[in-house]
Amino acid sequence: SQKIEQNSEALNIQEGKTATLTCNYTNYSPAYLQWYRQDPGRGPVFLLLIRENEKEKRKERLKVTFDTTLKQSLFHITASQPADSATYLCALGGSSNTGKLIFGQGTTLQVKP
Amino acid sequence: ETGVTQTPRHLVMGMTNKKSLKCEQHLGHNAMYWYKQSAKKPLELMFVYSLEERVENNSVPSRFSPECPNSSHLFLHLHTLQPEDSALYLCASSQGQNNPYGYTFGSGTRLTVV
Repeated sequence: SQKIEQNSEALNIQEGKTATLTCNYTNYSPAYLQWYRQDPGRGPVFLLLIRENEKEKRKERLKVTFDTTLKQSLFHITASQPADSATYLCALGGSSNTGKLIFGQGTTLQVKP
Repeated sequence: ETGVTQTPRHLVMGMTNKKSLKCEQHLGHNAMYWYKQSAKKPLELMFVYSLEERVENNSVPSRFSPECPNSSHLFLHLHTLQPEDSALYLCASSQGQNNPYGYTFGSGTRLTVV
């Protein structure tokens, strides 16, 4: 069955460092991969999308890579700030059937001042 | 506000009650979704509506009944729920079902079944 794993439940880093979150998947061939941010008690907010034929995407301090051979995406936040503390979800979509999004369980990032 | 509004934000209901969750979007999107989010579990897709037609029912028990009267509104009718149904219920919308440009989520309804 299709499975998405995000590297760890929680990640703690110091302000100013680069946070790197991992998303691995099996038994799936997505056309695209998305990253969302979720704050406590709120719904997820879309951040970035990367397509299967793209290696890297950037948006301000965010960078996403996508390796379809390794079946892995890396999500980087450079010069991290305490305001970046949140749960980050990866989601895969665009397969042949309904195109529905399948989500990972999320990684909670804590950036300490 | 994201453009997707869910009401109520919090709901406590007994196992014999009947209640409804409401979702509204005025983004012009034509696909709407219900997701369930339980603690430490991935978001679980429950229902998908595209152009007001249900296109997916992800093996959801019949005590959950969705309704999409038009492209801007989505309801989730609840009856005889179980305590394990307590969770955050999220509504989302997108332009097109296979839209790579992201879903817009509401803030969710925190449901507690007692």
